[in-house]
Amino acid sequence: GDSVTQTEGQVTVSESKSLIINCTYSTTSIAYPNLFWYVRYPGEGLQLLLKVITAGQKGSSRGFEATYNKETTSFHLQKASVQESDSAVYYCALGVNNYAQGLTFGLGTRVSVFP
Amino acid sequence: NTKITQSPRYLILGRANKSLECEQHLGHNAMYWYKQSAEKPPELMFLYNLKQLIRNETVPSRFIPECPDSSKLLLHISAVDPEDSAVYFCASSSGNSDYTFGSGTRLLVI
Repeated sequence: GDSVTQTEGQVTVSESKSLIINCTYSTTSIAYPNLFWYVRYPGEGLQLLLKVITAGQKGSSRGFEATYNKETTSFHLQKASVQESDSAVYYCALGVNNYAQGLTFGLGTRVSVFP
Repeated sequence: NTKITQSPRYLILGRANKSLECEQHLGHNAMYWYKQSAEKPPELMFLYNLKQLIRNETVPSRFIPECPDSSKLLLHISAVDPEDSAVYFCASSSGNSDYTFGSGTRLLVI
């Protein structure tokens, strides 16, 4: 089956510092999957942060960016300078070309930004 | 997020029956129910494509999905169990890259 691995369960970072959240994926599909980052702020629902559907491309949103690397099967999320408002849980997710399977999520990374 | 609405937002139940509702205004062909328990990622429960149940995950039989039309999705829960406490997200998609999630229903079983 498909799987998504996020190695960091929790990350604490100072405001204005850089952030990297690691994500690697595995799929049994012969087609390259679509990759997503979702974010869940405290007390809110699940929001799409960014997506990339073409291998080799980079997605960006709200200062975050992630590059779809098919060689290393990775989709790491980065931000150069975080703000306290970025405190949230971030989920890496995978969707295969057959959309009927829905999305497979990683375990999530809780990011805490302190001033 | 008015594109996909869920009701109720919060639900506190004893061992009772209740239905969760979802409606999407995006014209999407596929709709999903996900369950997110505390400290876990969202997990797919059910999937409908064009009103047909395509994939049914191994969820307890007390959860029964219903899709009255292509824009609406219901989740009927009977005799809830404390392990059912979670946030239930409805989602929809058109194709494989355009997923939208609702705000979720927070279910607390007491």
